[in-house]
Amino acid sequence: TQLLEQSPQFLSIQEGENLTVYCNSSSVFSSLQWYRQEPGEGPVLLVTVVTGGEVKKLKRLTFQFGDARKDSSLHITAAQPGDTGLYLCAGARGNYQLIWGAGTKLIIKP
Amino acid sequence: DADVTQTPRNRITKTGKRIMLECSQTKGHDRMYWYRQDPGLGLRLIYYSFDVKDINKGEISDGYSVSRQAQAKFSLSLESAIPNQTALYFCATSDFKGYGYTFGSGTRLTVV
Repeated sequence: TQLLEQSPQFLSIQEGENLTVYCNSSSVFSSLQWYRQEPGEGPVLLVTVVTGGEVKKLKRLTFQFGDARKDSSLHITAAQPGDTGLYLCAGARGNYQLIWGAGTKLIIKP
Repeated sequence: DADVTQTPRNRITKTGKRIMLECSQTKGHDRMYWYRQDPGLGLRLIYYSFDVKDINKGEISDGYSVSRQAQAKFSLSLESAIPNQTALYFCATSDFKGYGYTFGSGTRLTVV
């Protein structure tokens, strides 16, 4: 059972376009983490959001945690080829359990 | 040096062989984890350890065992490898809050 649904699973867009990736669940999480993974490497943490409604910005990336702490979104403005990668969200439950989404594979074409 | 180092990076082994994957971290964290990644399935937890004396099974521990030799070292063993254990394996560490994991670069394991 996939407790954390990511959409879309795959996205290919042109450089300069905007995009949004979604992470949805029926479960409440104590925190939500976003990672980016490049081929042949491990996931790298981008951000952790903890409070319902929280918005964090990382240059052209904007992360939002839903008010009910069940969902999150990642918005990229003016995407660049360097943004290409697999984006993973993970929700924390309890003091150790991290529930992972299956990922969104993003390709930014020059 | 990387914060989390995994060895080997790639390994091909035969069915039935015993294999050990090693992980060391320099973050000074107590918590360490082993995951496997399969296309379309995301990351699945194999084992986790909150300190040297605390080791716990994750969601897919069958066929695997672990050893926590020190705060910085956590190894994963496949006692008798089988082809469906072919996957990417990642070691990770986190602080006690678990607000962000640091991953190693992974081991690509192929069982033939």
